[in-house]
Amino acid sequence: EVQLEESGGGLVQPGGSLRLSCAASGFIFSDYYVDWVRQAPGKGLEWIGRSRSKAYSYSTEYAASVKGRFTVSRDVSKNSLYLQMNSLKIDDSAVYFCARLTRDDAFDVWGQGTRVTVSS
Amino acid sequence: DIVMTQTPLSSPVTLGQPASISCRSSQSLVHSDGNTYLSWLQQRPGQPPRLLIYKISNRFSGVPDRFSGSGAGTDFTLKISRVEAEDVGVYYCMQATQYPLTFGGGTKVEIK
Repeated sequence: EVQLEESGGGLVQPGGSLRLSCAASGFIFSDYYVDWVRQAPGKGLEWIGRSRSKAYSYSTEYAASVKGRFTVSRDVSKNSLYLQMNSLKIDDSAVYFCARLTRDDAFDVWGQGTRVTVSS
Repeated sequence: DIVMTQTPLSSPVTLGQPASISCRSSQSLVHSDGNTYLSWLQQRPGQPPRLLIYKISNRFSGVPDRFSGSGAGTDFTLKISRVEAEDVGVYYCMQATQYPLTFGGGTKVEIK
């Protein structure tokens, strides 16, 4: 079964750091783009970052709101995607999802999400 | 950034009746490769989003045929031919034609 599972969320103070993980299973992880999307409490979806496939050297893209603070990386040996979040702000509080991108540029597989709360 | 505007914000529907959601983009979603990367997602309460439609009108695997997508350029529509109780949730359009990817604000479908 194709699956993504996020972990690593929690409570962190403003200015702090957190690393989220996304464990992939059931598909060839290196062949796919995998993105991070977040959802603030009661709000809509916001795309925040991307890791391209091996064919594109796992290169990355970021939303302006997180560029310079967040870093997306992969450990292919562990079939895992990561989101390193630094200089966290209260507005970064959200449920963070990882999602797999199809060849048709749509998100066909989503994890259940992990909640991040930034608060003093 | 491409702004995606969905209407209505909320759609109370009687079971068995149709529902329609509109999504308008601030610029054309036609990619230089000729494709239009507009998809629709459903998010049931407490669940992650689920892909319904990709590239305007292609139904994803396992999605009931009461869901259909249409449109072109900057105007797109998701239709549910006969709403069922399991269709309750928030629906999002999303464009992947240009970075950053952007989503519509969501339309809540609820039963009258």
